Amino acid sequence: SQTIHQWPATLVQPVGSPLSLECTVEGTSNPNLYWYRQAAGRGLQLLFYSVGIGQISSEVPQNLSASRPQDRQFILSSKKLLLSDSGFYLCASSPGAGENYGYTFGSGTRLTVV
Amino acid sequence: GQNIDQPTEMTATEGAIVQINCTYQTSGFNGLFWYQQHAGEAPTFLSYNVLDGLEEKGRFSSFLSRSKGYSYLLLKELQMKDSASYLCAVFGNNRLAFGKGNQVVVIP
Repeated sequence: SQTIHQWPATLVQPVGSPLSLECTVEGTSNPNLYWYRQAAGRGLQLLFYSVGIGQISSEVPQNLSASRPQDRQFILSSKKLLLSDSGFYLCASSPGAGENYGYTFGSGTRLTVV
Repeated sequence: GQNIDQPTEMTATEGAIVQINCTYQTSGFNGLFWYQQHAGEAPTFLSYNVLDGLEEKGRFSSFLSRSKGYSYLLLKELQMKDSASYLCAVFGNNRLAFGKGNQVVVIP
């Protein structure tokens, strides 16, 4: 079964500072990887997904970016954080398109931009 | 695109049965998932439906009607630990799109 490691668990950053959140996956090869954000009291919003190394699809325009330097590594970055970037960031993995069982989520990073 | 609607909150008594509904509109459909999310934690997988009908898994059951774009999650014999948000999610076009979730509060 898959295991997702996501860190840090909590982060407080000033406006304008850079961001780097990392996610690594164990127990599967060539997974689809996802970054979601959940603002307080709101649903999960898909930010980026990747079907392979170097392949990134962006769902919403914003000041965030994602990279996949290795098969089981997914990184979420920003050069300059905004207050609106605060939220609960979740990395998720699925074994691949067409697999009929649920995603595995990391434990999440709670980001507060001050 | 995908549009997923869920009611926002409901309260139920311990031992009762509660049904959480979800309607969706999507351009691509490869299955519907239900997740449970406790406050401050990541979602955990509950059930998956890709064909019409009822899937039963212990105290939890999930139903799907693809022609109506409708699903429900049935929670039986409610326990206090079932107090959580329940998320409906549709998988299509290589991604999982989530509804806003339904907060269930279980009271003694």
